[in-house]
Amino acid sequence: QKEVEQDPGPLSVPEGAIVSLNCTYSNSAFQYFMWYRQYSRKGPELLMYTYSSGNKEDGRFTAQVDKSSKYISLFIRDSQPSDSATYLCAMSARQAGTALIFGKGTTLSVSS
Amino acid sequence: NAGVMQNPRHLVRRRGQEARLRCSPMKGHSHVYWYRQLPEEGLKFMVYLQKENIIDESGMPKERFSAEFPKEGPSILRIQQVVRGDSAAYFCASSPVNLVSTSGVNTGELFFGEGSRLTVL
Repeated sequence: QKEVEQDPGPLSVPEGAIVSLNCTYSNSAFQYFMWYRQYSRKGPELLMYTYSSGNKEDGRFTAQVDKSSKYISLFIRDSQPSDSATYLCAMSARQAGTALIFGKGTTLSVSS
Repeated sequence: NAGVMQNPRHLVRRRGQEARLRCSPMKGHSHVYWYRQLPEEGLKFMVYLQKENIIDESGMPKERFSAEFPKEGPSILRIQQVVRGDSAAYFCASSPVNLVSTSGVNTGELFFGEGSRLTVL
């Protein structure tokens, strides 16, 4: 079993839709969970960061972590064409100075 | 404030040649990470360096690959005797020693460069 599993999609939605992106993981030591967004031919950029279980909201984006189920989610409300990108989940066991383990990424396309 | 700078952005090599990829971290950052992204694959950790030190190279192939981060100058990822399977995007990321966000929480955020795309013919 891979450490981090993420459905690669692609996922296509109309503008304004609610998008749900998910990852599962196997390592119970993971405590720090991140979502990165990567536009085509660009480097990833941090979208959301969550420590341990719970929810975090930032504008149209909500990150959820359920450590008991080893499951994390990213919700995008009122999706826009500019949200079209690949979304990568990432996680680590330590706060900093350690390698992040990434999912394969889910490619999202939002049509206007 | 310039971001993480990687060069070259694109590199073409023939089998057996050497590839050198360079990464200048963000100003004030002393931690550098190299990741490889293969087509249809996620980012795979390769190596983590601080100035003049390799901290974690658990993701580096045992042969042909090496990395350094000298006291002066950029970090370099070196691939000797390249093979077609080395064709990928190589991303560098940096982080400061202590990163505290505006909320006072250490986020451990990595700042990525735009990548160097290696094609081996």
